[in-house]
Amino acid sequence: DQQVKQNSPSLSVQEGRISILNCDYTNSMFDYFLWYKKYPAEGPTFLISISSIKDKNEDGRFTVFLNKSAKHLSLHIVPSQPGDSAVYFCAASRYSSNTGKLIFGQGTTLQVKP
Amino acid sequence: GAGVSQSPRYKVAKRGQDVALRCDPISGHVSLFWYQQALGQGPEFLTYFQNEAQLDKSGLPSDRFFAERPEGSVSTLKIQRTQQEDSAVYLCASSLDRTSGAFFGQGTRLTVV
Repeated sequence: DQQVKQNSPSLSVQEGRISILNCDYTNSMFDYFLWYKKYPAEGPTFLISISSIKDKNEDGRFTVFLNKSAKHLSLHIVPSQPGDSAVYFCAASRYSSNTGKLIFGQGTTLQVKP
Repeated sequence: GAGVSQSPRYKVAKRGQDVALRCDPISGHVSLFWYQQALGQGPEFLTYFQNEAQLDKSGLPSDRFFAERPEGSVSTLKIQRTQQEDSAVYLCASSLDRTSGAFFGQGTRLTVV
């Protein structure tokens, strides 16, 4: 069973517009959520995170929104740039757990067109 | 470099061969994770170390998979009698502690033929 789902395999947006990537989770015990970005032949790079005690966290062009009642989070990139083209993974963990291991979604490939 | 380093970057193994994948975490990072990423999927947790102690190995798919971190720094993931379904990218990540963001290495792409 997939505890973290990214239902859109790909997304294409125009440079300068907003990119919205979505993620759903099923385990209500998750209380810490992260977004990673991955370029080909590289490992995932941490982008931004949010704790379940918040509903929004912002870092420059990146904002993550969390809707706990819907078990849904989203990553907004404004404005989108061609260099943002990559695969984006959302991940969830139990912050209070002993291991902090991450459960990843399948990824969404973002293409930002110049 | 200052990042997580993995070697080799690419490994081709014949079915039945044993392989060893190495991870050099960021200096001072207490937590170390191994993940397996199949083509078109997100990384899947394999195992976790806190210093030299392996606290969670619930993700290891079979007893052919073994990981160690004897001195709390470098870690090795060993796969015995490799099978075709073991073909994947193996990612190592480290963090300062279990609640910090994890930094990933570039991964080792294992192809079993």
